[in-house]
Amino acid sequence: KQEVTQIPAALSVPEGENLVLNCSFTDSAIYNLQWFRQDPGKGLTSLLLIQSSQREQTSGRLNASLDKSSGRSTLYIAASQPGDSATYLCAAYNNDMRFGAGTRLTVKP
Amino acid sequence: SAVISQKPSRDICQRGTSLTIQCQVDSQVTMMFWYRQQPGQSLTLIATANQGSEATYESGFVIDKFPISRPNLTFSTLTVSNMSPEDSSIYLCSARTGRGSYEQYFGPGTRLTVT
Repeated sequence: KQEVTQIPAALSVPEGENLVLNCSFTDSAIYNLQWFRQDPGKGLTSLLLIQSSQREQTSGRLNASLDKSSGRSTLYIAASQPGDSATYLCAAYNNDMRFGAGTRLTVKP
Repeated sequence: SAVISQKPSRDICQRGTSLTIQCQVDSQVTMMFWYRQQPGQSLTLIATANQGSEATYESGFVIDKFPISRPNLTFSTLTVSNMSPEDSSIYLCSARTGRGSYEQYFGPGTRLTVT
């Protein structure tokens, strides 16, 4: 059974800092890996999706990488802003989608 | 992509009553899912809503407690029956197109509080 782990559980940084969120998964036979953002009490917003054949995806200040062989993905956020404060979830998809517990990010002005 | 809406966005219900949550997708999708997110927790899959047949439930979830309908390729409902305070959660509808990237989309969620 696929297990997804996210480290750290919480992160607080000053505005403008670059940061990395980590996601690991136990079964490398994934079809894709997706990163989501969740604001308090809200649904999930898809940020980036990386297919199993891809190494990375970029959208604006976000860059996600995937290393299937080591069972890892990272989400890099450049020049962080207070508006980036949210919980970030990664999810690995093979037969079904398995979520990590999330990293709660706070960006201080 | 797919845009998903849910109704209601939130509700406060009394113990022992039932609530039906509606999920509408703006395009035909292959797969629809219902998730629960308890306070401070990650998402747990309740069931896969199958069009024209009974839903497929995950371990720990049963049809009598969480009956699901999916009459067509764009709409589904989840009922939370005989509610107790432990059912207080955010309930999220999700969909996957089943083509191309298999990207999964989520609705805004329904915040349920049971008193």
